[in-house]
Amino acid sequence: DVKVTQSSRYLVKRTGEKVFLECVQDMDHENMFWYRQDPGLGLRLIYFSYDVKMKEKGDIPEGYSVSREKKERFSLILESASTNQTSMYLCASRTGTTDTQYFGPGTRLTVL
Amino acid sequence: QKEVEQDPGPLSVPEGAIVSLNCTYSNSAFQYFMWYRQYSRKGPELLMYTYSSGNKEDGRFTAQVDKSSKYISLFIRDSQPSDSATYLCAMSAGGGYQKVTFGTGTKLQVIP
Repeated sequence: DVKVTQSSRYLVKRTGEKVFLECVQDMDHENMFWYRQDPGLGLRLIYFSYDVKMKEKGDIPEGYSVSREKKERFSLILESASTNQTSMYLCASRTGTTDTQYFGPGTRLTVL
Repeated sequence: QKEVEQDPGPLSVPEGAIVSLNCTYSNSAFQYFMWYRQYSRKGPELLMYTYSSGNKEDGRFTAQVDKSSKYISLFIRDSQPSDSATYLCAMSAGGGYQKVTFGTGTKLQVIP
């Protein structure tokens, strides 16, 4: 079974802090994604990566950056956390040839 | 107008009922259609994956795609309390690097 793990299930940070969310997948998938999920807005794509050291902006990249130094690991960075970044963050991965994404359990981030 | 529209519910049904969940979409390029199930405080998990128009059955679940009407459905027969979750539709224009667009999800509650 594909396994996607995320570093934290719950995280509480202060406004202005730098926040790191880490995602690891064990299926050698080329593509990895970061989404945020908010009530009434659904899943919104922040960034994705189709290869090591490669990244592409999604629909809402402002205030975020990403890093992919190894194929299995994709990090989301909030450079200076703000209260409007309080959300559920979901990581996903997939092969380069299908649309089927496999999701991690999510990190519920609260910024105070 | 959103590319994918999904009634947020909540939808409440008695155990054993047939459940119908639906999404409409506007992008005629969409060819790949997915249904994800998301339990509370968990990441989405893939339930069904279909290509183009037609039906696909897997146990108690049937996915139906009508591309002429830009309408997809998920039917759950003999619904169980364990089916209580949020169901997300998702679709894309093609495999590989094509973006996947998600619906906002329908919350289903199956009452024993």
